[in-house]
Amino acid sequence: AQTVTQSQPEMSVQEAETVTLSCTYDTSESDYYLFWYKQPPSRQMILVIRQEAYKQQNATENRFSVNFQKAAKSFSLKISDSQLGDAAMYFCAYRIGGAGSYQLTFGKGTKLSVIP
Amino acid sequence: GAGVSQTPSNKVTEKGKYVELRCDPISGHTALYWYRQSLGQGPEFLIYFQGTGAADDSGLPNDRFFAVRPEGSVSTLKIQRTERGDSAVYLCASSQPRETGELFFGEGSRLTVL
Repeated sequence: AQTVTQSQPEMSVQEAETVTLSCTYDTSESDYYLFWYKQPPSRQMILVIRQEAYKQQNATENRFSVNFQKAAKSFSLKISDSQLGDAAMYFCAYRIGGAGSYQLTFGKGTKLSVIP
Repeated sequence: GAGVSQTPSNKVTEKGKYVELRCDPISGHTALYWYRQSLGQGPEFLIYFQGTGAADDSGLPNDRFFAVRPEGSVSTLKIQRTERGDSAVYLCASSQPRETGELFFGEGSRLTVL
């Protein structure tokens, strides 16, 4: 079974600084996707960034980027120029590739606080 | 609609009662998912619909949980004989039925069983 581990229950960052959230996963599959989701107090899960396992290039979305280390099964999220609106729970998630059920397996999350 | 809509937003019930939670997905999204998020945890998969049929219900914890999607749009998650351990946020998500289809989540229904 696939597992996703987030070892940092809480993190804090000064506004405008950079923070990195860690995630490791375990799978025997070669075709899969990895995601970072943000969950503000509204409870709605919002996709931050996605990485296809077959792509060697790390995904980037504006201030958000990932460090995908496939051999180490590591998938960290870097948030640059942190803003107050970045404060939320962040969840790392895994999904197997190919056809079928596209269910996500989530980690337990990291609570990010942004200090003004 | 513009986004995934879930009702009720909050539900408080007594142990042993029956509960229904509703999800209205984004128009045109044929794939629909239910997840359960307990306090301090990430969401856990419950069931996946492709159209009207439950394509994968491997995450349903026991036979007290059941979900339907009779017309391939709105889905209802039904919980019989609720237990205190059922207290959680129930999240619904929908997507296009393709491998790269992004999941769009609703704001969830918080269920509290007293």
